[in-house]
Amino acid sequence: EVQLLESGGGLVQPGGSLRLSCAASGFTFTTYGIYWVRQAPGKGLEWVSGISASGAGTFYADCVKGRFTISRDNSKNMLYLQMNSLTTEDTAVYYCAKGAMPGAVRSYTHYWGQGTLVTVSS
Amino acid sequence: EVVLTQSPGTLSLSPGERATLSCRASQTLSSSFLAWYQQKPGQAPRLLIYGASSRATGIPDRFSGSGSGTDFTLSISRLEPEDFAVYYCQQYDSSPPLTFGGGTKVEIK
Repeated sequence: EVQLLESGGGLVQPGGSLRLSCAASGFTFTTYGIYWVRQAPGKGLEWVSGISASGAGTFYADCVKGRFTISRDNSKNMLYLQMNSLTTEDTAVYYCAKGAMPGAVRSYTHYWGQGTLVTVSS
Repeated sequence: EVVLTQSPGTLSLSPGERATLSCRASQTLSSSFLAWYQQKPGQAPRLLIYGASSRATGIPDRFSGSGSGTDFTLSISRLEPEDFAVYYCQQYDSSPPLTFGGGTKVEIK
């Protein structure tokens, strides 16, 4: 059974940093791209970042470019999102989502974690 | 950058009625790489349709997707009580890797 379990969310002050983790299991981790998608309270889904299966390719939405860094540890089946210079606009539930198309950088996503809440507030 | 525009923003219908949701892309999706998701309050999104018209595993056949190019449609033939939710389209055809539409809420009339 495919499982994605996010952790690391919490309350952080504007300008602060946070590192999110996503523990993956139930599939061959090294075969699929993985994404971070967020949802601000009462708002729609917003793609944040993605990483290729090997980790060689990383992609970011313009709104987080230069502040967020995505990475993965294929030996541990783990995905990470290092978030720096956080603003109140980054307050959201952050989901990790597994790409469905093996080896593809762009894919629909058929498995999602339950999300971790990041609140940026003073 | 591909922008997806969903309409209407809210659809008020009764159980048993047909729902038709639209998703328009700002540029042609050459490979029909468009997906639809359903999201209920407090839950992660659930994949319904991929490749514009292929149903995901376990999705009832009352859900169907159609379209190509820039215009795509999600249809729900007869609404069940559990279908009242928010629906999102997503493109995975061109950069950035993923883009979501703003969503359509299907609410009980």
